[in-house]
Amino acid sequence: QSVLTQAPSASGTRGQRVIISCSGGSSNVGSNNVYWYQQLPGAAPKLLIFKNNQRPSGVPDRFSGSKSGTSASLAISGLRSEDEAEYHCAAWDDSLSGTVFGGGTKLTVL
Amino acid sequence: QVQLVESGGGVVQPGGSLTLSCAASGFTFSDYVMYWVRRAPGKGLEWLALIGHDGINKKYNADSVKGRFTIARDNSKNTLYLQMIGLRFDDTAMYYCAKDPAIKGFGGAWFDPWGRGSLVIVSS
Repeated sequence: QSVLTQAPSASGTRGQRVIISCSGGSSNVGSNNVYWYQQLPGAAPKLLIFKNNQRPSGVPDRFSGSKSGTSASLAISGLRSEDEAEYHCAAWDDSLSGTVFGGGTKLTVL
Repeated sequence: QVQLVESGGGVVQPGGSLTLSCAASGFTFSDYVMYWVRRAPGKGLEWLALIGHDGINKKYNADSVKGRFTIARDNSKNTLYLQMIGLRFDDTAMYYCAKDPAIKGFGGAWFDPWGRGSLVIVSS
């Protein structure tokens, strides 16, 4: 069981906006930066959002991140078929002294 | 460009050992914290270990590793290692190495880029 909680699946139609949530606690999301990773089928994870809401160069501005208290969210607007992937949140956990991940949310684009 | 290439995976019997390597290129390897992360079939990502840029500081996921895995690096060879002993069925996974983007710093959960992974299958 993952330390950070994510819904196992999400879906949306093309062009729609989807939000993927990540819930943690005071020792991880509540006190450290949250990162989001996109994992396309058969591929390695790729950094999507860093430090809660920053996009690496090359990541479309359709992707945005936010954090409030012990929860974080990834929003994807203008959904496209190529966004169909698994999305993972991650944060450092001060109590465990290690990185913790969510279980991942598999996004289906209808 | 920055590249990480894992190798050393394969099929191993329960109780066996394996050492994974991660060859780094395109950056000054000795300046960066490095990580190992795995993904077992049907499960989420799981952080395993990190090693400081100078190889001195190391941290492990105690629950997963339980003293069976050792992270190491050879900065003269630009290579990261993960030595695994006492392998169990639930160690079957794709193993990824990843780089921390912060030069001589520590992002904690900031992995960029990742290698393509090396598959480890524990089977009798």
